[in-house]
Formats: sequence, structure tokens, C-alpha cells
Amino acid sequence: ETGVTQSPTHLIKTRGQQVTLRCSSQSGHNTVSWYQQALGQGPQFIFQYYREEENGRGNFPPRFSGLQFPNYSSELNVNALELDDSALYLCASSRGPETQYFGPGTRLLVL
Amino acid sequence: KNEVEQSPQNLTAQEGEFITINCSYSVGISALHWLQQHPGGGIVSLFMLSSGKKKHGRLIATINIQEKHSSLHITASHPRDSAVYICAVKYGGSNYQLIWGAGTKLIIKP
Repeated sequence: ETGVTQSPTHLIKTRGQQVTLRCSSQSGHNTVSWYQQALGQGPQFIFQYYREEENGRGNFPPRFSGLQFPNYSSELNVNALELDDSALYLCASSRGPETQYFGPGTRLLVL
Repeated sequence: KNEVEQSPQNLTAQEGEFITINCSYSVGISALHWLQQHPGGGIVSLFMLSSGKKKHGRLIATINIQEKHSSLHITASHPRDSAVYICAVKYGGSNYQLIWGAGTKLIIKP
């Protein structure tokens, strides 16, 4: 148990729809990172939030957006879903540059 | 070319064997993580190291900064060690993102 939770655990959407994924950080952690893991591949960095500000972004289009709240929980929003967005979405919380603790992930299927 | 390369991609061994998984990277890093991912997606951080060697139980991780190479060793392997092992490197600076390898799928047969 890492203390990081994600919801929902599984989700099915259709092309063009929008989705919001949620992550609750471990207590005391001010940094949250989001990763996308396609089947059979390593995770790819989407973006990171530090104290409610975006602190870096990977090579993902603007339809991937995020929020971090004052309690350091976070959301990942994806608009105009595409089939290739089907993946496991992982969030990880940390205290700045220290070890990242991962949630169990949300498995998204886009039909 | 990926910035983080792992080898082998797949590894099947018998219970009790000594296991080595390798990771090479091509960028300057502040730290390297070894993580374990079980079927269904849960990821557990095993080690974070920036120099030398760390040991935890039957797991040993080493890193050579000059050669940009790290290894994860498992001694006296057991079927419960079966998982995907992923190497991820952390850039320095204010952005703490991890750049991930593709993972090594390890199967330990009884």
C-alpha cells in the first residue's frame, strides 16, 4: 500500500468523449506526476504538478490537461478521446524530488 | 533511439537462479529508479540510487554513473519475483519527471 489512490479503476469510453481521472496523493506529498502506459510499453510522462502549478509536460497534446487542488489531489482530463488513448494511466505522488509513490492506475478503454 | 534501454526484454528462469537485469541510459540524470510492476498495473518502487550500490533483502541494485549503466540483481529467485521490472531515470533540475525503460518481463518457474 502506497497511500496513493486512483479512481475509477476501470473505464470504458467512446471516441470523442471526455474523461476525468482522479488521484489522491499520499499525505504530505506536494508533487503529483501522471503517466500513460500503453499495453506492453513503459510509462510515458504526461505532466507533473507541484503545489498546484504545472511543473513540466511530456509530449502530449493540449487535450490532455490537469489540475492539482490545495489538498494536493489531482485530476487528469482528456478531451476528444481517440482510440490510441486506451492505456493504463498512473499517477505518482512525491515530496518534491524524493521517491515517487504510485497509485494502482486507471485502465481506460476507448471504443 | 530510446533514452533508457533495458535488457533483456523477457527473461524466464528456474527458481533459485541468480537474475540480472540491465539498464543503460543516454542522458544526464540525478537519480535512477528500479520499479516492479505486477499484472494489473500496481507499481512499487524498489530502489532509488544515484551512485554505488543498494541492497534490500534478495535485491541488489548498482549504478555506474560514468558508464551510464545500472543493474538489478535478484538472488535466490522465487516465483513470487515474477513481474515486470522497470528502470526509470530522473532528470535533474526543477522538473522531477521520470523517463522510463520499456521494462523486463521476468518469469520464475518453480
